Amino acid sequence: GENVEQHPSTLSVQEGDSAVIKCTYSDSASNYFPWYKQELGKGSQLIIDIRSNVGEKKDQRIAVTLNKTAKHFSLHITETQPEDSAVYFCAARASNSGYALNFGKGTSLLVTP
Amino acid sequence: DSGVTQTPKHLITATGQRVTLRCSPRSGDLSVYWYQQSLDQGLQFLIQYYNGEERAKGNILERFSAQQFPDLHSELNLSSLELGDSALYFCASSVFSGGRGTEAFFGQGTRLTVV
Repeated sequence: GENVEQHPSTLSVQEGDSAVIKCTYSDSASNYFPWYKQELGKGSQLIIDIRSNVGEKKDQRIAVTLNKTAKHFSLHITETQPEDSAVYFCAARASNSGYALNFGKGTSLLVTP
Repeated sequence: DSGVTQTPKHLITATGQRVTLRCSPRSGDLSVYWYQQSLDQGLQFLIQYYNGEERAKGNILERFSAQQFPDLHSELNLSSLELGDSALYFCASSVFSGGRGTEAFFGQGTRLTVV
């Protein structure tokens, strides 16, 4: 099955700096890669996603890049703000599991003022 | 608000007991996914239903079962509970089972504590 590895597990940055979270996946047939933000006491919120026919996607301060050859994808947050503090999960859609998502173990991002 | 509703938000029960978690998907979504989130394992896929039928199984224990009803809400049944079953249980829904439109939206979760 699909195995998704996520690094780092914790990340602390100063407000205004950039944050990068990296994930690797094992199933070369995976074709959909969403990123979720989970705030304390809340469910996971989809913040951006990318499909395998695209190398990069941006949405304001958030961007995701995908390298299919290397089987890794990354989340980039620029000009970080304290409200960006949360746990971020990457996921890959398994091609042989009813399109369920396989998640990384999460990155706890702390943005300090 | 994702539009996915889970009840209850918190549940405390004793070992050996059985509980039922409920999920109402977003309006129009046909697929429901159940995930278990524990500190050491992260988010683990349990099971998926699509339009009332089981579509995929992940790491779901035999003590656990689920179903999706005609109105598309879903229930996850956990029986013979053990301490290790304590976790956050999330439900997610999406429009389709595959292809485009598979963006999944998560509920706020049910925190289960087994004592």
